[in-house]
Amino acid sequence: GAGVSQTPSNKVTEKGKYVELRCDPISGHTALYWYRQSLGQGPEFLIYFQGTGAADDSGLPNDRFFAVRPEGSVSTLKIQRTERGDSAVYLCASSVRSSNEQFFGPGTRLTVL
Amino acid sequence: AQSVTQLDSQVPVFEEAPVELRCNYSSSVSVYLFWYVQYPNQGLQLLLKYLSGSTLVKGINGFEAEFNKSQTSFHLRKPSVHISDTAEYFCAVSDSRYGGSQGNLIFGKGTKLSVKP
Repeated sequence: GAGVSQTPSNKVTEKGKYVELRCDPISGHTALYWYRQSLGQGPEFLIYFQGTGAADDSGLPNDRFFAVRPEGSVSTLKIQRTERGDSAVYLCASSVRSSNEQFFGPGTRLTVL
Repeated sequence: AQSVTQLDSQVPVFEEAPVELRCNYSSSVSVYLFWYVQYPNQGLQLLLKYLSGSTLVKGINGFEAEFNKSQTSFHLRKPSVHISDTAEYFCAVSDSRYGGSQGNLIFGKGTKLSVKP
């Protein structure tokens, strides 16, 4: 079956602009996670959804970052007033509620000029 | 809070040689432990996981890892590596108190394994 997909694969934007990153989880997966991977680092947790609600958003770095999952499937990560330090690969993962295995998408590489 | 330390950022090794990638963690609560692999230009893929039970865990592609609670370690091993094992490997932990999928993963910085012919 289809895995986790993320669009776009690459996004180049200018400092101060608004961006949206999309994640399509595996069908039937109720849990969805966003991570950010900066160059030379491991992925860092941003936010976790169980269904439509954000169960844990403690990893969001500041209020410029926001994520939604209105119908419990597709999720969008939104970044306002982008800064050069936001440049990273943004990873999405999903899992079945009762499983500990998270399935990762290929990521969106965001470059802020 | 949990943290993960991968002691080696890069590990070069010759084909068919054994390899060990080291991982130590710190946590005030019980944890689940994972190893993920990231091949060039691909997403993260689960290699193996420790949830409970036997401390020796076998994963895909001939990899295994041993959980050592006293040393808070979860080192990854393979007795004979192939060129195709060249990739970046990440150790991760999650809080086991909630079970299921409620635990976000805390990752180490990764170890780049380079297998040379």
